Amino acid sequence: EVQLEESGGGLVQPGGSLRLSCAASAFAFSGSWMSWVRQAPGKGLEWLANIKPDGSEKYYVDSVKGRFTISRDNAKNSLYLQMNSLRAEDTAVYYCARDDGTMVRGLTGVYWYFDLWGRGTLVTVSS
Amino acid sequence: DIQLTQSPSSLSASVGDGVTITCRASRSVGNYLHWYQQKPGKVPSLLIYAASTLQSGVPSRFSGSGSGTDFTLTISSLQPEDFATYYCQQSYSNIRSFGQGTKVEIK
Repeated sequence: EVQLEESGGGLVQPGGSLRLSCAASAFAFSGSWMSWVRQAPGKGLEWLANIKPDGSEKYYVDSVKGRFTISRDNAKNSLYLQMNSLRAEDTAVYYCARDDGTMVRGLTGVYWYFDLWGRGTLVTVSS
Repeated sequence: DIQLTQSPSSLSASVGDGVTITCRASRSVGNYLHWYQQKPGKVPSLLIYAASTLQSGVPSRFSGSGSGTDFTLTISSLQPEDFATYYCQQSYSNIRSFGQGTKVEIK
């Protein structure tokens, strides 16, 4: 079955670190852009970061730039998010998502969207 | 970074009503605008991509339109299973972003 499964969430103190993992199954992970998206309790979706299939390009939202690092191991079909200097406002469910691209008839370019999501892992930052 | 602003933030409607949700981008995103539905306790699911292309398996009562900075998601006749939160998302920039969401509630 094509799926993503996150792990590594939990309770961490402010200022602490945590590493999230996302295991991919039954699709060509090594050819896929991948993203991390989070959702604070009762709030909306926030895109955090993405990474090119070969890991050579990475992009981040300003709110986590310098604190979070996205990485991948294609040999292990795994995506990671290293989170440092955690704050209370980082408390959220963290999802990994496949950033799939397709061409659309009548339009130029490749259209990227999130077509596959994991079920998420909860990170709670609290003392 | 590109900001997406949805309106309204929430709305109440009845089964059978037509509903329109708007998403405005802080600068042009061409047609690189997509819509997702999220039900409580569930992960988001893709409804529409490239502004107006229906994802496979999505009912035809959902439609999208727009380009540049202004986009709409329309549900022609609300069904009980459509009560959820809807998000727009852009992929014009490598720095992706979502709108803040529109919650559609039962009147």
